[in-house]
Parts: sequence; structure tokens; C-alpha cells
Amino acid sequence: AQKITQTQPGMFVQEKEAVTLDCTYDTSDPSYGLFWYKQPSSGEMIFLIYQGSYDQQNATEGRYSLNFQKARKSANLVISASQLGDSAMYFCAMSFTSGTYKYIFGTGTRLKVLA
Amino acid sequence: NAGVTQTPKFQVLKTGQSMTLQCAQDMNHNSMYWYRQDPGMGLRLIYYSASEGTTDKGEVPNGYNVSRLNKREFSLRLESAAPSQTSVYFCASSEVPPSGRAEGNIQYFGAGTRLSVL
Repeated sequence: AQKITQTQPGMFVQEKEAVTLDCTYDTSDPSYGLFWYKQPSSGEMIFLIYQGSYDQQNATEGRYSLNFQKARKSANLVISASQLGDSAMYFCAMSFTSGTYKYIFGTGTRLKVLA
Repeated sequence: NAGVTQTPKFQVLKTGQSMTLQCAQDMNHNSMYWYRQDPGMGLRLIYYSASEGTTDKGEVPNGYNVSRLNKREFSLRLESAAPSQTSVYFCASSEVPPSGRAEGNIQYFGAGTRLSVL
């Protein structure tokens, strides 16, 4: 069965420091995508970064990077140089071919950046 | 750039009332989705439409119907609202890559509809 697990309900980080948000997944599909979304208090879902299962290199988008460890089935989000505006809920999601490209989501991690 | 537009943003219904949530995307995407988000949970898929003219059930379809009106629009209908349907509803769209592989199926979301059923 396909599953996404985020074990950190809440995290704190000091402004300007780096933080890692954990995500592990389970799938038997050979082809899948892993995605991170940010949900600020205003409620919208903002796409941050994705990693394909066949990608050899870890994805990066500005201050966001995805630490993809395929053998361990983990896809952790690393935010460097945290800013106050990074305070939000963060969701990990997976898309898999046998699911007709549907997503399944983790339960999210609430990040609070401290000044 | 509008992206994915949902209406209304807020709605309060009485038990048994019906309503339709509207969603439109201007990115020429083939696939569209409806999710619900409940406290302490991630988003759960209600229905999706892989392409114009097709719809399929997701994880939590009971109590809902959908219509893919055309390539741009995908509506969600509650025929007889129940308190258990109090939630935040999100519409999303994506363009599945030509390769057909799941990688790169980036979904773009609307701003959400906050629905309360009393």
C-alpha cells in the first residue's frame, strides 16, 4: 500500500538557521514523484519542490532542497537560512503511476521560525 | 496569472441543503482534483478527473458528486450536506507528463473553500 509519513507534528527553528522536515514513504511502484507543499496561515497550498524517483541528483529550489534517499525511502525537506515567513504547515506528498497520478499526503509538520 | 480559481471562499449551510463548489483553471491542464482537508490530517482525495469527460472516485467520495464541465472547469456538488462535510475543500490541476510517468505531476491548488455545515 502507498503511504506517506511525517512524524514531526511541530518544529521550531531559530531565524537564519537551517531546518530539516522529515518525510518517509512506502510504495512498490517503480515510478513515483515526491512533492513538498507549504500552507501558510492564509490557507493556500503552495508548491515548493519535487523529486522524481529516477532522478539521480537531489532537487533544489532556492533555499529549499530535497534530501532524497531512495534506499531508505525518505524525502526530507531542508530549508536553509530560515525566515520568519517560513512559519507555516508543510506537507509531503507522493504521486505514483498505478494510482493514476493521484497524490497521497502526509499529515503535515507545523514549522515555527523564532526571531 | 489566475491559475486555479475556486468559488466561493466561504460557505455556511444547514444540514440537508445542497450546493456546488466551482473550480476553474487557466493552465490548460488535463487533470483536475478535489480534496478535503480536516484538522490534523493531510488532504484526502474526493474525486478526480484525469481528462475531460472522465471522472473517478478518490479516497472519500461518499456524499459528493462531480462534473467535469469542460477542460477548464471541475465542480463538486454536495446533494444533502451533513455536519461531517464541514471541512476546507481544495481544487487542484496538473498536466501529466507526456512520458506518462508519475514524476513531474505537479499539482497546483486553488485557495480553498471553507465550508461549515450546521
